[in-house]
Amino acid sequence: GAVVSQHPSRVICKSGTSVKIECRSLDFQATTMFWYRQFPKKSLMLMATSNEGSKATYEQGVEKDKFLINHASLTLSTLTVTSAHPEDSSFYICSARPLDRNTGELFFGEGSRLTVL
Amino acid sequence: AQKITQTQPGMFVQEKEAVTLDCTYDTSDPSYGLFWYKQPSSGEMIFLIYQGSYDQQNATEGRYSLNFQKARKSANLVISASQLGDSAMYFCAMRGANAGGTSYGKLTFGQGTILTVHP
Repeated sequence: GAVVSQHPSRVICKSGTSVKIECRSLDFQATTMFWYRQFPKKSLMLMATSNEGSKATYEQGVEKDKFLINHASLTLSTLTVTSAHPEDSSFYICSARPLDRNTGELFFGEGSRLTVL
Repeated sequence: AQKITQTQPGMFVQEKEAVTLDCTYDTSDPSYGLFWYKQPSSGEMIFLIYQGSYDQQNATEGRYSLNFQKARKSANLVISASQLGDSAMYFCAMRGANAGGTSYGKLTFGQGTILTVHP
């Protein structure tokens, strides 16, 4: 299967700082990546769809100025949590759809656990 | 709008026994895909099995099989011969039907079921 890598896997930051999380497809190209948020023992909630070369599409209720998404290349999408607060503490996980497959097959990163103090 | 429902917050099974995890869905799309993922405590999402809405046969992958009942809109996961390593959270998910569009691949997840396998 294809590999998606997220970095960092864990990050602790002070309230008010910004944190960047990277999502890389290591052995395939992806025009579309998806960012999810997950609270402990809860479901994954889609935050936004990251589109290479264009603006991200955010789900209802997700603040685009709070969660900045950049899809700079066919293998990299970044999520920046700006001015993080304790309520932003969560597990963030990305998924990517290979460009050359039309089955809708998705591959997930390992996830990034953010703790805001 | 799509909706996925998993009504079992937690399930227990004895090692080597079979277990069924329930999943029902609702969609108005004629074409859709259903997935099951396993999420161990480490957090990674492990793909288990996929069923397309037009597939005639129920999907199987090793010890995993999907009991797809289209008329009932259910897609239950059956795990045979449970192992201790199967203890994890399991998610049922549905894929957006906009084939070829940027939303193709967007998944809607159920609430999840925590499976505990006892020795």
